[in-house]
Amino acid sequence: VQLLESGGGLVQPGGSLRLSCAASGFSFSIYSMTWVRQAPGKGLEWVSDIRGSGGRTYYADSVKGRFTISRDISKKTLYLQMNSLRAEDTAVYYCAKDRGDQGYWFDSWGQGTLVTVSS
Amino acid sequence: DILMTQSPSSVSASVGDSVTITCRASQGISGWLAWYQQKPGKAPRFLIYAASNLQSGVPSRFSGSGSGTDFTLTIISLQPEDFGTYYCQQANSFPITFGQGTRLEIK
Repeated sequence: VQLLESGGGLVQPGGSLRLSCAASGFSFSIYSMTWVRQAPGKGLEWVSDIRGSGGRTYYADSVKGRFTISRDISKKTLYLQMNSLRAEDTAVYYCAKDRGDQGYWFDSWGQGTLVTVSS
Repeated sequence: DILMTQSPSSVSASVGDSVTITCRASQGISGWLAWYQQKPGKAPRFLIYAASNLQSGVPSRFSGSGSGTDFTLTIISLQPEDFGTYYCQQANSFPITFGQGTRLEIK
């Protein structure tokens, strides 16, 4: 399993950014995927999830209405569209693969991509 | 939302020692709990799922227990590579929530 995030960078408050997570080594279409972020020096914060079966999506209240999770199965890529960015969105963003059983836990993680929201 | 509270926030131990980290959920989550290890500048590493099941490839000196609201992660015979920050995560319902982390320092 390999997960490779990209798309991070410096963006001004109010701006937009789209993160990508290229997946390989597993059947991308059947696994749920999630985004977790970590602000500098802080703990892990779950951001968003997309279920492998049916594609239902979930969001943390802190990003609801601003972020959109999606996936392109043909490209084996997970996305996170981030709009109306705020300084408090500054973090390393990780994509992670669900283990595939009944619980919402994540057995493989990407290396992360840094998003900095600043003027 | 389910609040996850870990204790202690940090712990220092010597090679060969045993360490126990506690995680408490604000409401019952049965056995829907995972543990992760994270080292500085690295992605989290998945250690334990369903409260007590060791992920493939994780050394047997790691173990987890608990159910309902109270859970523990125990590391016996500490090794130098066990330093880092440990997080619990409730896997019962959305929004998924993590504990604040426990930093393990090897003396």
